Amino acid sequence: AQSVTQPDIHITVSEGASLELRCNYSYGATPYLFWYVQSPGQGLQLLLKYFSGDTLVQGIKGFEAEFKRSQSSFNLRKPSVHWSDAAEYFCAVGEDDYKLSFGAGTTVTVRA
Amino acid sequence: SAVISQKPSRDICQRGTSLTIQCQVDSQVTMMFWYRQQPGQSLTLIATANQGSEATYESGFVIDKFPISRPNLTFSTLTVSNMSPEDSSIYLCSVTRSRGPEYTEAFFGQGTRLTVV
Repeated sequence: AQSVTQPDIHITVSEGASLELRCNYSYGATPYLFWYVQSPGQGLQLLLKYFSGDTLVQGIKGFEAEFKRSQSSFNLRKPSVHWSDAAEYFCAVGEDDYKLSFGAGTTVTVRA
Repeated sequence: SAVISQKPSRDICQRGTSLTIQCQVDSQVTMMFWYRQQPGQSLTLIATANQGSEATYESGFVIDKFPISRPNLTFSTLTVSNMSPEDSSIYLCSVTRSRGPEYTEAFFGQGTRLTVV
């Protein structure tokens, strides 16, 4: 069975500072990896995905993530955080039957 | 992408009653799923909604408690039966649209926030 670990439950970052959210997964084959964002009272929005190819993927809202097979990681980064980036972020791993296993989530707070 | 409409968006229900949640997609999709997000928790897959046949449930979820229908490729319902306060959660519908052998991402509805009192 797959598992996803997001080690950081809560991160506080200043507006304009950089942000990195960690994600580690356990999966036997090449994984399908995703980052979703959930703003208060909203559904999940896909930020970016990795299926194959270039290990550095670009997403929406200025986010990027890097797949590192040797570390079983798929960390999410943003160079300069905006107040609107305050939200819950979920890393997920997809299986061949399109089911998703989610990490516990990381809450990002942005301070002025 | 896919536009997913979930109804109701939220509800407050008495324990012992049942609530049916609807998920409507704007175009035909291959896979439809139902997830639960308990307060302060991550998402857990309840079941895969199969068109014209019984849903496939994940460990810990049973049809008597969470009956699911999927009469066509664009619509599904999830019923939360005989509710208790422990069923208070956000329930989310998710869909994927197959593109041949390529893997595709999942899209989510806005969710139904259920409170059982």
